[in-house]
Amino acid sequence: DGGITQSPKYLFRKEGQNVTLSCEQNLNHDAMYWYRQDPGQGLRLIYYSQIVNDFQKGDIAEGYSVSREKKESFPLTVTSAQKNPTAFYLCASSDRALAGQPQHFGDGTRLSIL
Amino acid sequence: QKEVEQNSGPLSVPEGAIASLNCTYSDRGSQSFFWYRQYSGKSPELIMFIYSNGDKEDGRFTAQLNKASQYVSLLIRDSQPSDSATYLCAVISGNTGKLIFGQGTTLQVKP
Repeated sequence: DGGITQSPKYLFRKEGQNVTLSCEQNLNHDAMYWYRQDPGQGLRLIYYSQIVNDFQKGDIAEGYSVSREKKESFPLTVTSAQKNPTAFYLCASSDRALAGQPQHFGDGTRLSIL
Repeated sequence: QKEVEQNSGPLSVPEGAIASLNCTYSDRGSQSFFWYRQYSGKSPELIMFIYSNGDKEDGRFTAQLNKASQYVSLLIRDSQPSDSATYLCAVISGNTGKLIFGQGTTLQVKP
């Protein structure tokens, strides 16, 4: 089945630790995105990538890093510089970026601080 | 002013009624509009998109767009308890091309 797979479903971070969230898609989409959702809030864009080996900061990129070495994969690292990392992290993809096309989401990763 | 605004609700309707969810946006250059449904603890699911003024129907769902008033709505006919969820309005910014989300409206359909 075509779709977006995020792992793990739940993740716990210790103080000073970097953690990496995985996102893989087999939809052959060029564009991939990472969003953060806090309780009762809409989604906020962290990073996005329009093509392999290229990515841009979104609205809340501080404390996060990404890579896009393969079309299918767009991992997000939450670094120790992100002081309030507890949130629901959502990965999305679309056929092309910034072209008005719908984005489809994975099942998300819930990150909490230990 | 927020870029995309929705009433957080909850909006409560009886089973079988029409639920009307509203969204306003500030960017006049926006061209693409989306409605996502998000069940508690789950990720958003795309249910409707609309690009042109007027109505677009898909089953029990109708999206309505009025660009002059900068207003987009979602009607759910014959509401079912399984429609109880948070509905997120999202708009593509005419300036940046990025998808901007409202905070969502919680819908409760009571049997």
